[in-house]
Parts: sequence; structure tokens; C-alpha cells
Amino acid sequence: AQKVTQAQTEISVVEKEDVTLDCVYETRDTTYYLFWYKQPPSGELVFLIRRNSFDEQNEISGRYSWNFQKSTSSFNFTITASQVVDSAVYFCALSEEDNAGNMLTFGGGTRLMVKP
Amino acid sequence: GAVVSQHPSWVICKSGTSVKIECRSLDFQATTMFWYRQFPKQSLMLMATSNEGSKATYEQGVEKDKFLINHASLTLSTLTVTSAHPEDSSFYICSARGPTLRATNEKLFFGSGTQLSVL
Repeated sequence: AQKVTQAQTEISVVEKEDVTLDCVYETRDTTYYLFWYKQPPSGELVFLIRRNSFDEQNEISGRYSWNFQKSTSSFNFTITASQVVDSAVYFCALSEEDNAGNMLTFGGGTRLMVKP
Repeated sequence: GAVVSQHPSWVICKSGTSVKIECRSLDFQATTMFWYRQFPKQSLMLMATSNEGSKATYEQGVEKDKFLINHASLTLSTLTVTSAHPEDSSFYICSARGPTLRATNEKLFFGSGTQLSVL
């Protein structure tokens, strides 16, 4: 069975601080996909990234970066120089199917509050 | 891009009534759609997988007679909460499997969600 754990339920930082959101996953599949989504107060899910299990390269997109460590089954997300607009709930998710267009198992989410 | 439209965005109803939520893929065909439920301050839990032209597959613990899913066309799946009760109050969100977007590598597209409040 697959499982995604986000140990941090809430994080509060001051604007311009860097913050890392942790994600640990469990799966028996050798082929899987990992995702991060942002959920602002309005409720919609904003896609941030999809990474397949064979690509362990870290990725940077603007102020966002992701660290995929297969050895520790982790897919952590770092926001550099956080801004108030980053305040939201962030979900890490896992899909075990190899086409990535399948059902997702979500972690419990981390509520990030960025204070001015 | 690939857009999934979900309606209504929010609905308030009396206990005992039925509520229908629509999920449409606007610019692509979706043979498979997924329905999730999210209770306040909790994670999203998969309720069922909706397959065009066949019966939905429900996750363990989800009552199929309570949550009726119909996927009659390649662009529309509906979730009907029958005889809704206050404990059914939740945020319901659908997703559809679509074409992979080159720019973002995204293949799963979510609706904007429906907040259901049952009085």
C-alpha cells in the first residue's frame, strides 16, 4: 500500500525566510510519480511539480526547489525568500501507476503561514 | 492547457435532499475522472474512480448508493450525494486524466472544487 507523510502540520515563518516542507512516501512500486500541490484558501489545487521515480535530479523553478532522495524516500520542497502570497496548504502526493495520470494518494498537508 | 470545470462551487441544502455536482473536461476527452473529498483542515481522500461508459470503482468505506457517480460522456462526470446529511458536508473535488502538458509535465487536471454544506 502507498502512503505519504507530511510530518509538519503547520509552519509559520516571517517573510523572506526560507522554508522547507518535508514529504516522506512509501510504495512497493519501482515506478511511481511524486507531486506537490498548493491549495490556497479558495480551495482549488494548484499544480506545482510532477517527478517520476527514475529522475532524481533536483529541480529549481524560481523561488521553488525540490529535493528528491530515493534513498530516504523523501521529496522535500523548499521556498526561498518566502512571501505572504505563499501562505497556503501544501500537499505532497504519490501515484503508483506508471502513466502518472492516475489516482493520487495525498499526504496530510502542511499549512504554511508567511507573516509580513 | 487542459481545463476541468466543476459546478457548483458551493451549495447549501437541507438534510434529506440530493445534490448533483458536475465535472467537465472543457478541451479534452477524459475517459477517467476521479472524485475526492476533503473535510475541514484534512487531506484529500479518493472516493471513487469514474470510467466513461462503465460503473465507477469506489474506495473502501465509500457508500456507492450514497454517492452516485455517472460518467455518461467523455467530457462529463457527475457525483450525486443522495439524501444528504450534515456529516456529508465537505469539499468535493474532481480530477481528470488528460494530455500531458509539455510546459509543466502535468497530466492530471483538477476542478475548482465544490463546498457542500448540509443544514
